[in-house]
Amino acid sequence: DAKTTQPTSMDCAEGRAANLPCNHSTISGNEYVYWYRQIHSQGPQYIIHGLKNNETNEMASLIITEDRKSSTLILPHATLRDTAVYYCIVRVGITGGGNKLTFGTGTQLKVEL
Amino acid sequence: KAGVTQTPRYLIKTRGQQVTLSCSPISGHRSVSWYQQTPGQGLQFLFEYFSETQRNKGNFPGRFSGRQFSNSRSEMNVSTLELGDSALYLCASSLAPATNTGELFFGEGSRLTVL
Repeated sequence: DAKTTQPTSMDCAEGRAANLPCNHSTISGNEYVYWYRQIHSQGPQYIIHGLKNNETNEMASLIITEDRKSSTLILPHATLRDTAVYYCIVRVGITGGGNKLTFGTGTQLKVEL
Repeated sequence: KAGVTQTPRYLIKTRGQQVTLSCSPISGHRSVSWYQQTPGQGLQFLFEYFSETQRNKGNFPGRFSGRQFSNSRSEMNVSTLELGDSALYLCASSLAPATNTGELFFGEGSRLTVL
């Protein structure tokens, strides 16, 4: 699975958009980009995933560059409850290939008043 | 719909002992994965089970083992505990291995302290 690079930490004001970047310059054509987050002392929570098109769900938007070498997770209106470590993961999406996720160090997002 | 349930939530053991952790996946989910989380190494994949068969294994010593039952519930066992085994052990379930959605549902974890 491709290696990802994320900033160690970021701050965001409550109510503003939080934009979390991720570099995955060695991503292969069949690898998906996934985002999970982990709120302190809880298990990771799935947020969103995509292959090459931008994706949006009730939690966030995922913007993937045209060359797929980087992506940005957008939380449109961050709240204090969004304070968490955000993990960007890339992995092959092959049926039957297993559910092994390789977590990096992630970005600690702190949302403040 | 109940989430992934892990028991026990907290436990303390001493070096040399063994421990068994349990995971009940979301109803209907047949794939169960285990992860270890420590401050130094972060989240690391241990192994994955589907239909009672181990499908994938991480880079951990043989002291770490697991199994899955016909009802998809899973257990992991760590024998001859070492201080470095102190960690949060997380279980995750999904409908099937590597569906293209890749969405895993994690439990709250079992926090093991080895003294």
